[in-house]
Formats: sequence, C-alpha cells, structure tokens
Amino acid sequence: NAGVTQTPKFQVLKTGQSMTLQCAQDMNHEYMSWYRQDPGMGLRLIHYSVGAGITDQGEVPNGYNVSRSTTEDFPLRLLSAAPSQTSVYFCASTLVGGSPLHFGNGTRLTVT
Amino acid sequence: SQQGEEDPQALSIQEGENATMNCSYKTSINNLQWYRQNSGRGLVHLILIRSNEREKHSGRLRVTLDTSKKSSSLLITASRAADTASYFCATDGSGGSNYKLTFGKGTLLTVNP
Repeated sequence: NAGVTQTPKFQVLKTGQSMTLQCAQDMNHEYMSWYRQDPGMGLRLIHYSVGAGITDQGEVPNGYNVSRSTTEDFPLRLLSAAPSQTSVYFCASTLVGGSPLHFGNGTRLTVT
Repeated sequence: SQQGEEDPQALSIQEGENATMNCSYKTSINNLQWYRQNSGRGLVHLILIRSNEREKHSGRLRVTLDTSKKSSSLLITASRAADTASYFCATDGSGGSNYKLTFGKGTLLTVNP
C-alpha cells in the first residue's frame, strides 16, 4: 500500500514549456485534489475531483488543467509554464468529503 | 481566500514544555482538522474535530473548538524534538462543500533539545 505517489519529485522548466505532474493513489479514494504551497501563503487549492470524470476548480485554477479518467490517477497539466508557477505542488486524496486527507510528498517545480 | 489563520506564526520552546497553537476562521464549518508537515514532506493528518464537538484528545494532542468565536487551539503536551514541524489548521464547509479543505498559513514549531 503506497498511499499517494507523486512524480517527479523535482522539476525545472523554462518559461513557456509544458509538463504534467503525476499523482496516483492506491486506496480507492473517490476524492483527489491538487494544492500549491508557497512561502507565507499556506496551501491553496488548485483543482479537485470527486470521482472519475468529475473535476472542478479550486481557489487558484488559472494556468492549470486536470482530468480524471480513472479513480487512481489525477494528473495536473501546466500548458505554458510561468515563473509565478514556481512552487511546491501537493496531491491529496480521501475517501469521502470531510475526512482526513492523505498527502503525497510533493513536487518541487521551478520555472525560469 | 484563506479560511484559517494560525497564531503564532512561529513558536520556539524547550523539550518537555507544552506548545499551544491557535487557529481562527471566518465562516461556518463542518469540521476542523489539524495537520503536521515536516520539512520537505507532505502533510500528515493529526486530528479532526467536528463542529458539534468542543474538545478532542489523541495521545499528547488536545484540540479545542469554539464555534462562537470561530477559533480552535492545538495543545501538544510534553513536547519532544521530533515534534519540530509546521502545523496547519484546515476547515471545510466553505461555500457549502465539505470536499474543499481550506488551509491556514501554519505555525512553525521548533522544539529545542
């Protein structure tokens, strides 16, 4: 039981490049979410999904796309990276709303 | 916008002392949760308290919730160096959704041996 797995752990991009941050969970959780963590800002919700085929925007969705084709995977896509997207990204999942979140160990992204 | 706000931003204590962190929030909630984050790692859930509960214990952790003041506190008793971490409160119920947890900015706790 690996929990929530995020890849890669570190990534450096140039402005304008695209990439996908991967997130997978093996706990059969319906709810998955992406947060970004910036110094002094805490964690802010980017996008979330309450089940396969269902996604919705969080607090800071601009510049990010998501899709949820399976229960296990919830990738986060940056179509054209910007320096403002330099951050640490966390994926989290839970079985039902209001229950404790299980977090991955994060992806540290730098955009130059 | 941030729902929860922790206070203080940073706290430094000696091993064996108690540590108290506070969280204030703005709107009605269903639950309030506390998480710990060790440097460079993901957040780990510590304790959940529901809006109809006033106090909850888990090992050396004690959480209180005052919905009339929209505030919560986390007490860690007999602290250890291993308790050094950032602590975050998180609330749900914002906008009617209990899926969208909103986190505060955290309290950085340093426990000196």
